[in-house]
Amino acid sequence: QAGLTQPPSLSKDLGQTATLICTGGSSNVGHEGVGWLQQYQGHPPKLLSDRDNRRPSGISDRFSASTSGNTASLTITGLRPEDEADYYCAAWDTSVNAMLFGGGTKLTVL
Amino acid sequence: EVPLVESGGGLVQSGGSLRLSCTASTSYFWTFWMTWVRQAPGKGLEWVASTNQDGGQRFYPDSAKGRFTISRDNAKRSLYLQMSSVMSEDTAVYYCADLFAGFWGQGTVVAVSS
Repeated sequence: QAGLTQPPSLSKDLGQTATLICTGGSSNVGHEGVGWLQQYQGHPPKLLSDRDNRRPSGISDRFSASTSGNTASLTITGLRPEDEADYYCAAWDTSVNAMLFGGGTKLTVL
Repeated sequence: EVPLVESGGGLVQSGGSLRLSCTASTSYFWTFWMTWVRQAPGKGLEWVASTNQDGGQRFYPDSAKGRFTISRDNAKRSLYLQMSSVMSEDTAVYYCADLFAGFWGQGTVVAVSS
């Protein structure tokens, strides 16, 4: 099964805004929405935004997600050093009944 | 936060079998759509298997079909992954999760030796 598409890396300066992109298709991103995950090396992923673009309890409002057609976005405002991590998108594909992941975007905060 | 705790990982020879377990500390486990996700060293997240709330529906990627079996016992608040005919490519950290609800375990390491 083909996965979702994410740019492998993104670099932004401290305090700036980063927008991470995840592209899929009409049977996954466009139909079911995506979850956004943050992962630090050596740790399990943490959900930042669910498929309805809602933040779980305890997630900073600096993180916001949106979807337009088959493309999902995660915007992080006021970048901090601790935002440097790997970010993954995930979606369920209803045409093949499969979980799809993006390859991940490594965010570097300069 | 709902702790999920994986166990059962370890070193296994190529061609061998292993059974992973995942236990939840909440009585609401029966409401969770559960998934196994793995991550090979230095790589991204990879879907391994998913099951619905009562275990009646099970889904696998092609890489797992015929070799891995996901199951659950809601009375024991537990999820399982039976792995057989393992290959070196199965070496990874294995996580159990209700992914879209944000519940993840800490992971258990599976290492396949040739």
